[in-house]
Amino acid sequence: QVQLVQSGAEVREPGASVKVSCKASGYTFSSNEIHWVRQAPGQGLEWMGWMNPNSGKTDYAQKFQGRITLTRNTSITTAYMDLSRLRSEDTAVYYCARGNEDDDAFDIWGQGTMVTVSS
Amino acid sequence: SYELTQPPSVSVSPGQTARITCSGDALPRKFAYWYQQRSGQAPVLVIYEDNKRPSGIPERFSASTSGTMATLTISGAQVEDEADYYCYSTDSNHRGVFGGGTKLTVL
Repeated sequence: QVQLVQSGAEVREPGASVKVSCKASGYTFSSNEIHWVRQAPGQGLEWMGWMNPNSGKTDYAQKFQGRITLTRNTSITTAYMDLSRLRSEDTAVYYCARGNEDDDAFDIWGQGTMVTVSS
Repeated sequence: SYELTQPPSVSVSPGQTARITCSGDALPRKFAYWYQQRSGQAPVLVIYEDNKRPSGIPERFSASTSGTMATLTISGAQVEDEADYYCYSTDSNHRGVFGGGTKLTVL
């Protein structure tokens, strides 16, 4: 079945970087954008950026410009989200989500990856 | 930056109609999407392109837009509909924006 499976929980110190993976299966990886969304504890959803797995084109929310990098490895149908210069406010669950081919809907979501930033 | 505004909470009794609003200046030109997020789970798409329901979503979920306001309606809300609901749209640069979320209580 169509699914996105994310890597496990991470703990980082302030100032470090984290890389979260998102393994796609059950569909043609290059056909759909991959978006990243995060949710701080007790807070709402926050859109971070998207990547076109076919071209590698990316775009990021202004808030994360300069700190976020989205990449992919098409041979293993996996997308990655790299966030640098972490601070405590980056503690959150990070989700990858598949963009629908025909519109801006996110029709499949990963299970989420908890990233904790603490000294 | 572009914002979508939702009420923090809505409360209804089982069987009543719940309405959750989302306001944003670009909604007359950009589609609204709605996501349901139950506690501890990933979000689920319940409405796309303003008013379309994905397969598998109960018919009691519907939505509409009027001007700068999008509305999610749950007709005959059930206990299992208790969740956080988020509207989503894009800005003029095609960057995503979520509303702040609305906690729906059904009791």
